[in-house]
Amino acid sequence: AQSVTQPDIHITVSEGASLELRCNYSYGATPYLFWYVQSPGQGLQLLLKYFSGDTLVQGIKGFEAEFKRSQSSFNLRKPSVHWSDAAEYFCAVGAEGTASKLTFGTGTRLQVTL
Amino acid sequence: DSGVTQTPKHLITATGQRVTLRCSPRSGDLSVYWYQQSLDQGLQFLIQYYNGEERAKGNILERFSAQQFPDLHSELNLSSLELGDSALYFCASSVGHEQFFGPGTRLTVL
Repeated sequence: AQSVTQPDIHITVSEGASLELRCNYSYGATPYLFWYVQSPGQGLQLLLKYFSGDTLVQGIKGFEAEFKRSQSSFNLRKPSVHWSDAAEYFCAVGAEGTASKLTFGTGTRLQVTL
Repeated sequence: DSGVTQTPKHLITATGQRVTLRCSPRSGDLSVYWYQQSLDQGLQFLIQYYNGEERAKGNILERFSAQQFPDLHSELNLSSLELGDSALYFCASSVGHEQFFGPGTRLTVL
């Protein structure tokens, strides 16, 4: 069964600092990987996705993520955080093949200090 | 705006009652997914429909049921509600692997 681990429940960074949110997945075949962001009281917005090809993927709002098969990781990064990035971030894995359910991690809450 | 709409936005009801949550997918999307987000369980997949047919089931309770209609909108029915059913219920739609989420329905069971 597929699973996702986000080891950091809460992270605080200063505005302008770099950010890395960790995500480890467990899946037997080639995974489909996603990062979503949820602002308070809002739905989930897709930041970026990895299906195949280049292991460094670019997303919206200046975010990027790197797929490392050897480490079963898909960490999210941003070189300079803005106060508006404060939100909860979810990593998710989907099964290969036809469109299927997503399995989410427990999320990382990002706080940005000014 | 993802293009996925959910109604109502908030729902407050009592234990033992039954409610229906509605979801309209993005135009052209054939797949609809339902997820539950709660403090203790996190984000969990409940059920998936594809073009009117049930495609996959997750941790959905027997008291819960769903359907997808010919116009592709979907409804999630929750019955015999318990306090623990209080959660945010999301609908998502997709045409491939990328899922687009609606704003959710916040259900409070008192």
